[in-house]
Amino acid sequence: NAGVTQTPKFRVLKTGQSMTLLCAQDMNHEYMYWYRQDPGMGLRLIHYSVGEGTTAKGEVPDGYNVSRLKKQNFLLGLESAAPSQTSVYFCASSPTSGRAGRAKNIQYFGAGTRLSVL
Amino acid sequence: DQQVKQNSPSLSVQEGRISILNCDYTNSMFDYFLWYKKYPAEGPTFLISISSIKDKNEDGRFTVFLNKSAKHLSLHIVPSQPGDSAVYFCAASASGGSNYKLTFGKGTLLTVNP
Repeated sequence: NAGVTQTPKFRVLKTGQSMTLLCAQDMNHEYMYWYRQDPGMGLRLIHYSVGEGTTAKGEVPDGYNVSRLKKQNFLLGLESAAPSQTSVYFCASSPTSGRAGRAKNIQYFGAGTRLSVL
Repeated sequence: DQQVKQNSPSLSVQEGRISILNCDYTNSMFDYFLWYKKYPAEGPTFLISISSIKDKNEDGRFTVFLNKSAKHLSLHIVPSQPGDSAVYFCAASASGGSNYKLTFGKGTLLTVNP
């Protein structure tokens, strides 16, 4: 059972380059999320999606774009990378319903993508 | 403004003893709380949760306590084991339109010494 898979695991970019991080989940979850984790900052929400074809801004959306063309995939794009975007990026997904209706609060995370922007 | 606070960046305990990790929140709309555990080079994994209608939830060695009046929750690990060494994140959500979104604390690094 793969769960949430992120590719690539590591990437080094030069300032100004672009790239796309891919997240795939096989749990048929409606909701998907992109977070970044920086030292001493915890997990901060970048963008999220409540279903195929929908996206919304989170806490720190600037410099990122996202797309959810298929239910199982959530892409995070950096159009022009900056050193401030050096971070570890996590994708997560969650269901819409479950036992007692609270399962939707439990998010399942991928292993992360470590990105360095030089 | 940080809505979920974990004021202790790190905690060190001896194997077999109790580990107590604390979390405070400021948003009174939060009504569901979760703890996640994260090992290096891995993603966070769900550990235990509690609804605001309860004040305690237990799962094996892990117990979460909630004090709504103080806006405080804690995670107790008894007995602590070296494999529990990890970063622990507290997270919270609110009922309503965006109740699928979680707000995370900054995490506490727990080290359990053999």
